[in-house]
Amino acid sequence: AQTVTQSQPEMSVQEAETVTLSCTYDTSESDYYLFWYKQPPSRQMILVIRQEAYKQQNATENRFSVNFQKAAKSFSLKISDSQLGDAAMYFCAYRRKAGGGADGLTFGKGTHLIIQP
Amino acid sequence: DTEVTQTPKHLVMGMTNKKSLKCEQHMGHRAMYWYKQKAKKPPELMFVYSYEKLSINESVPSRFSPECPNSSLLNLHLHALQPEDSALYLCASSQGHGVSYEQYFGPGTRLTVT
Repeated sequence: AQTVTQSQPEMSVQEAETVTLSCTYDTSESDYYLFWYKQPPSRQMILVIRQEAYKQQNATENRFSVNFQKAAKSFSLKISDSQLGDAAMYFCAYRRKAGGGADGLTFGKGTHLIIQP
Repeated sequence: DTEVTQTPKHLVMGMTNKKSLKCEQHMGHRAMYWYKQKAKKPPELMFVYSYEKLSINESVPSRFSPECPNSSLLNLHLHALQPEDSALYLCASSQGHGVSYEQYFGPGTRLTVT
């Protein structure tokens, strides 16, 4: 079975600075997807970024980028120019590619990100 | 459009009541999911429907009964719930297979069992 570990329960960053959230995972699969989801106080789960295991290039979405290290099974999220609206719980999630894409997501425990004005 | 809708937003029910949660998507997705989320915890998978057939049931108690009437709709029927079932219930959908595997979530139903 796969597991996802987020070792930082809470992180704090000054507005406009850069912060990196850590995520490691364990799987015996070779092809899979990794995601970062954001859950603000409204509790709506919002997809931030995704990474396909077979793509060596790190995914980027505006101020959000990942550092994907497949051999180390590490998938960190970097948020540049932090904004007050980035304050939320961030979940790292894994999904294997086999199974026709109908598998559920395996989530880490989450990192609560605080933005200091 | 990546919208998944859920109704109701909030639900309070007694332990003897029967109620249903509803979820709808019009993105043409063929996989739909129910997750349960307790406060300050990650979502936990309950059920997966793939092409309107139940493909995953994560050992959920029978007081939760899922239904997928068609490819756009997903229901969760609730009966004789316990107070510990109080949680946020999230619905999600994804393409099911192909090039896109991300799941899109609805806003959730906040359930309180009294």
